[in-house]
Amino acid sequence: AQKVTQAQTEISVVEKEDVTLDCVYETRDTTYYLFWYKQPPSGELVFLIRRNSFDEQNEISGRYSWNFQKSTSSFNFTITASQVVDSAVYFCALSSNNAGNMLTFGGGTRLMVKP
Amino acid sequence: NAGVTQTPKFRVLKTGQSMTLLCAQDMNHEYMYWYRQDPGMGLRLIHYSVGEGTTAKGEVPDGYNVSRLKKQNFLLGLESAAPSQTSVYFCASTLAGAIYNEQFFGPGTRLTVL
Repeated sequence: AQKVTQAQTEISVVEKEDVTLDCVYETRDTTYYLFWYKQPPSGELVFLIRRNSFDEQNEISGRYSWNFQKSTSSFNFTITASQVVDSAVYFCALSSNNAGNMLTFGGGTRLMVKP
Repeated sequence: NAGVTQTPKFRVLKTGQSMTLLCAQDMNHEYMYWYRQDPGMGLRLIHYSVGEGTTAKGEVPDGYNVSRLKKQNFLLGLESAAPSQTSVYFCASTLAGAIYNEQFFGPGTRLTVL
């Protein structure tokens, strides 16, 4: 079985602060993919990034960056200089062959960015 | 393209009533999924389909049935609604079953069972 844990249920920051959302995963597969999705207050889920298990390079996209470390089974997401529009629930998810290509989601982290 | 659409957006049922949620996608995706979202539990897979005419159980299938008669549609049925089925339901689709494919989600259906 595979599992994704997002230990932070809620985070509150003030605008312009940096914030890191943690994601820890468990899988017995050697080939797997990790995803981050954003769910803004409007409710829809928006795909942010995917990372495969063989690529541990960090990725940066504007104010967003992702740190993938296989040694600690973590795929953390950092928002630099947070903005009110970043307020959302963020989900980390895992997909692997042994799980029938199904996505396993973490419980989500609600980020509140205050002006 | 509309992407993934869900009907209805909101519904209130009484215990024991039945209803069907409709999911439609116009991206020619093979795989379709139904999830439920409950506070603190993320999204949990109810049922999924790997192609027209096929369905399979996910993590929490009890109390639900599904059908995929047409490739573009995936229906979720509640035969006898219970308060425990109060949730937000999301439909998703993906091109094929490769583990790297991201899923595209519908806007969700908020269901309350009294």
